[in-house]
Amino acid sequence: SQKIEQNSEALNIQEGKTATLTCNYTNYSPAYLQWYRQDPGRGPVFLLLIRENEKEKRKERLKVTFDTTLKQSLFHITASQPADSATYLCALGRLSGGSYIPTFGRGTSLIVHP
Amino acid sequence: DGGITQSPKYLFRKEGQNVTLSCEQNLNHDAMYWYRQDPGQGLRLIYYSQIVNDFQKGDIAEGYSVSREKKESFPLTVTSAQKNPTAFYLCASRRPGPRDGELFFGEGSRLTVL
Repeated sequence: SQKIEQNSEALNIQEGKTATLTCNYTNYSPAYLQWYRQDPGRGPVFLLLIRENEKEKRKERLKVTFDTTLKQSLFHITASQPADSATYLCALGRLSGGSYIPTFGRGTSLIVHP
Repeated sequence: DGGITQSPKYLFRKEGQNVTLSCEQNLNHDAMYWYRQDPGQGLRLIYYSQIVNDFQKGDIAEGYSVSREKKESFPLTVTSAQKNPTAFYLCASRRPGPRDGELFFGEGSRLTVL
């Protein structure tokens, strides 16, 4: 069966450290992978996109890697801040009926301690 | 300001009643989506529409219905056939063009069945 797996346990880190979140998938051949941030009671907000033929993308303190052989994406936040505390969702582009439909993992909660 | 507006933000319903959640966008996006989010779970796709007057079932469409009579509007009806409707409902849209375009989300509607 198809699965998108993100760590269900919250990730606790100290301010200033690098947070690394993982997204693993099985039985998908995604055209792309996206990362979103979600605050409690709010809608997700798009952060980064990486395509199937790309290895790494960066945006300010954020970095995403995509390994289609390992079927894994890593999401890094460097110099983390308490304001980075949120749930982070990965989404794969799944082909369905001729369209690519974003399909989400459960998300990982990140808590950055001052 | 462009964006997606969902209403109501909170809704209470008695068992056996249908309820309609509103989703309006002024982003001029063709594609619109409805997701459901339960505690500890990711976003699950209910219905999506790539163009006006057309929509497709997602992974958990049973007990739900939608319409897409206007580009700006994609209302979701939660019917009495939905066995466990208490959840957080998120509407999203995506701009035309690249198959990997980011989703823009509304702020969500939280439905509670009493």
